[in-house]
Amino acid sequence: GEKVEQHESTLSVREGDSAVINCTYTDTASSYFPWYKQEAGKSLHFVIDIRSNVDRKQSQRLIVLLDKKAKRFSLHITATQPEDSAIYFCAASRGTGNTGKLIFGLGTTLQVQP
Amino acid sequence: NAGVIQTPRHKVTGKGQEATLWCEPISGHSAVFWYRQTIVQGLEFLTYFRNQAPIDDSGMPKERFSAQMPNQSHSTLKIQSTQPQDSAVYLCASSLLGNYAEQFFGPGTRLTVL
Repeated sequence: GEKVEQHESTLSVREGDSAVINCTYTDTASSYFPWYKQEAGKSLHFVIDIRSNVDRKQSQRLIVLLDKKAKRFSLHITATQPEDSAIYFCAASRGTGNTGKLIFGLGTTLQVQP
Repeated sequence: NAGVIQTPRHKVTGKGQEATLWCEPISGHSAVFWYRQTIVQGLEFLTYFRNQAPIDDSGMPKERFSAQMPNQSHSTLKIQSTQPQDSAVYLCASSLLGNYAEQFFGPGTRLTVL
């Protein structure tokens, strides 16, 4: 079945440094790749997404890169702040109405040290 | 906008009992998804409704689990004869219809089966 592998289970960076989380997927029909953040004791909160028609998207300090050939995508958080500390989940989906389910990676715990 | 509402937030059942979990999607959202989150398996897709119709239940355990969406304002997930391995956080998400629609997650119901 479809799988998403999230390569870093934990990541620790210093405040102000960049953090990179890498994911790979198996379903070649995947065309939508959202990222979610989960803070302790809370639910998932959408942070950014990328569609397969582009290979880069930026929203403020967040950059998502997509390499369709390698079936790989990554989240770059620049100028990290302590409030970026959380679990980040990557996900993949076919994106269309009848197949909107998200396949998630196992999550990366990001710790930003002040 | 209250976001996705899930009740109860916590539920404790004895082995063999039934558990019913409720989800109220965001008003105007016609797509409803159920996921399950555990430490070991991570986030797993269970089922998906579109305009109240079941579209994809490929993640539902074939026995004991059922989901319904009797009207546009709520969906239920029922687990019969609960087992300890059913213990998890059950998350409901809703989205607008359309490709690449962002899924908004509720706070989850933590089910503990003793």
